[in-house]
Amino acid sequence: DQQVKQNSPSLSVQEGRISILNCDYTNSMFDYFLWYKKYPAEGPTFLISISSIKDKNEDGRFTVFLNKSAKHLSLHIVPSQPGDSAVYFCAASDRGGSEKLVFGKGTKLTVNP
Amino acid sequence: AAGVIQSPRHLIKEKRETATLKCYPIPRHDTVYWYQQGPGQDPQFLISFYEKMQSDKGSIPDRFSAQQFSDYHSELNMSSLELGDSALYFCASSLKRGAHEKLFFGSGTQLSVL
Repeated sequence: DQQVKQNSPSLSVQEGRISILNCDYTNSMFDYFLWYKKYPAEGPTFLISISSIKDKNEDGRFTVFLNKSAKHLSLHIVPSQPGDSAVYFCAASDRGGSEKLVFGKGTKLTVNP
Repeated sequence: AAGVIQSPRHLIKEKRETATLKCYPIPRHDTVYWYQQGPGQDPQFLISFYEKMQSDKGSIPDRFSAQQFSDYHSELNMSSLELGDSALYFCASSLKRGAHEKLFFGSGTQLSVL
């Protein structure tokens, strides 16, 4: 049972435009959400996170929005740059229950110059 | 800066063989996590260690075992390998238990079982 879903395996955008990556979750116990970025032949690296008590967190060009009622979060990258081309994983945790992260399958973002 | 080191980077084994994957965390990191990512799949949590003790367990088969040593490096031992064990195995370490935003991943070990 996929508790974290990234329904778009890939996304292609033009440089300078906005990239929006979506993620849905099913477990209402999740209270912390993270986005990781992964380049080929490298491990995932932390990008941005949000706690369930917030609905928005911003860090430079990256903003994560959380809609708890819809169990949906999204990552906005604006403006997108070619160096942002990577696989983006959405992940969630139930910090009161387990140490593990539950990942989505990832979305491959391609930013075209 | 030192990162999480995993060895080997690639490993090819036959069915029913054994494999040992190693993970060297960032210095002073006392927490290690193992994840398995099958082809086209999401990374799945296997097991974690904190201060050399198992701290959490996920979907790790009984054929697999792991431990964390006194120098905090960890090894994942896999026996009676099956074709379905072919995957990318990530190790991650953190300085603070459960601090996922402070989680650093290695580049992974690509295991192919033939």
